Amino acid sequence: DVKVTQSSRYLVKRTGEKVFLECVQDMDHENMFWYRQDPGLGLRLIYFSYDVKMKEKGDIPEGYSVSREKKERFSLILESASTNQTSMYLCASADREGARRGYTFGSGTRLTVV
Amino acid sequence: ILNVEQSPQSLHVQEGDSTNFTCSFPSSNFYALHWYRWETAKSPEALFVMTLNGDEKKKGRISATLNTKEGYSYLYIKGSQPEDSATYLCAFETNSGGGADGLTFGKGTHLIIQP
Repeated sequence: DVKVTQSSRYLVKRTGEKVFLECVQDMDHENMFWYRQDPGLGLRLIYFSYDVKMKEKGDIPEGYSVSREKKERFSLILESASTNQTSMYLCASADREGARRGYTFGSGTRLTVV
Repeated sequence: ILNVEQSPQSLHVQEGDSTNFTCSFPSSNFYALHWYRWETAKSPEALFVMTLNGDEKKKGRISATLNTKEGYSYLYIKGSQPEDSATYLCAFETNSGGGADGLTFGKGTHLIIQP
């Protein structure tokens, strides 16, 4: 069974902390994505990566960075967490044929910044 | 930023009834249209990925159609069951040629099936 695993289901962090959200996939997918989901706004793309060490900004990259040192792992970094980054974060992966098979999502990390 | 619209925002349907909802998307730079089902406390799950105008896909009681020229897709559920209760997301995919560029999602249709 293919899997995208996010390291934490729930996380509470303080304002100003550096926060790492980890995502690991076991499907040898080239493409990985980070989204956040907020009520009334839907899923919004933060960053994505189509290869190791490659990264591209999505629609809302401000306040975030990413790291992809290995193909299976894609980390989202909040350099200095702020309360407006309280959200549900979803990681997804897809192979180069993603248009045919769809994306595989993790179960999400609900981050609260206090 | 691309605009993907879903309607209605929420829907209450009696068990056994059939229902449908809409996704509209840009008709230019089209690559694929995805439908996902997202149940509470679970991951979004891919239902369909459609790439060709006129595509029609079916999985059990759920089916979807695609019109890329006018930029819309319909999702149909026949004979709704309580387990169909979920948020249904559509997502528009472009591809600049370098690989997957990420999906642009609609806000979803929240479907509640009433026994």
